[in-house]
Amino acid sequence: ETGVTQSPTHLIKTRGQQVTLRCSSQSGHNTVSWYQQALGQGPQFIFQYYREEENGRGNFPPRFSGLQFPNYSSELNVNALELDDSALYLCASSPGTSGRISHEQYFGPGTRLTVT
Amino acid sequence: GQQLNRSPQSMFIQEGEDVSMNCTSSSIFNTWLWYKQDPGEGPVLLIALYKAGELTSNGRLTAQFGITRKDSFLNISASIPSDVGIYFCAGGVGSGNTGKLIFGQGTTLQVKP
Repeated sequence: ETGVTQSPTHLIKTRGQQVTLRCSSQSGHNTVSWYQQALGQGPQFIFQYYREEENGRGNFPPRFSGLQFPNYSSELNVNALELDDSALYLCASSPGTSGRISHEQYFGPGTRLTVT
Repeated sequence: GQQLNRSPQSMFIQEGEDVSMNCTSSSIFNTWLWYKQDPGEGPVLLIALYKAGELTSNGRLTAQFGITRKDSFLNISASIPSDVGIYFCAGGVGSGNTGKLIFGQGTTLQVKP
């Protein structure tokens, strides 16, 4: 069974640029969530995707957007990067059985984004 | 918004000692989960709790879902050096196939051999 994978591992961008981060969900999981983790903090929920649609969003501006593909993989896009966007971006997948709550989220290793 | 308060912020203990940490909230959660994160890695799920009052073990780890649904604790028995890391509690909100996790700030555990 393959776990959650993310790419790239590390990324350095300049303020104002755009970035795309990628995530492959764990085998058998159809729900993907993205989190931002600042240094020394717990992860903060950005949004969740289920059946290729956004299925809940945290307190992040519209320049944070995402996609989910038919194979359940996902992308996180951030436009007009700001210095405060520097963080570890985590992707998590969960089984998401229909009609059943599934908060058991399994995290990937993350992408470390540095904005200069 | 919903916030989780964790306690303690950090612990430095001797190998073999038992450890206890907890999280509290002013809000009710549907689930409580505990994760461990090592440097440079993503959080690893340790235990998930789904019912108020539920007590669940995973090896040397034991966690409980508070009866009020506003708190949870994690105990680690007979600590070993590889227990070192940051432990996060997370409260689950949402229903059906939706659901986000609200994380606490984490408890840093250091174990002296």
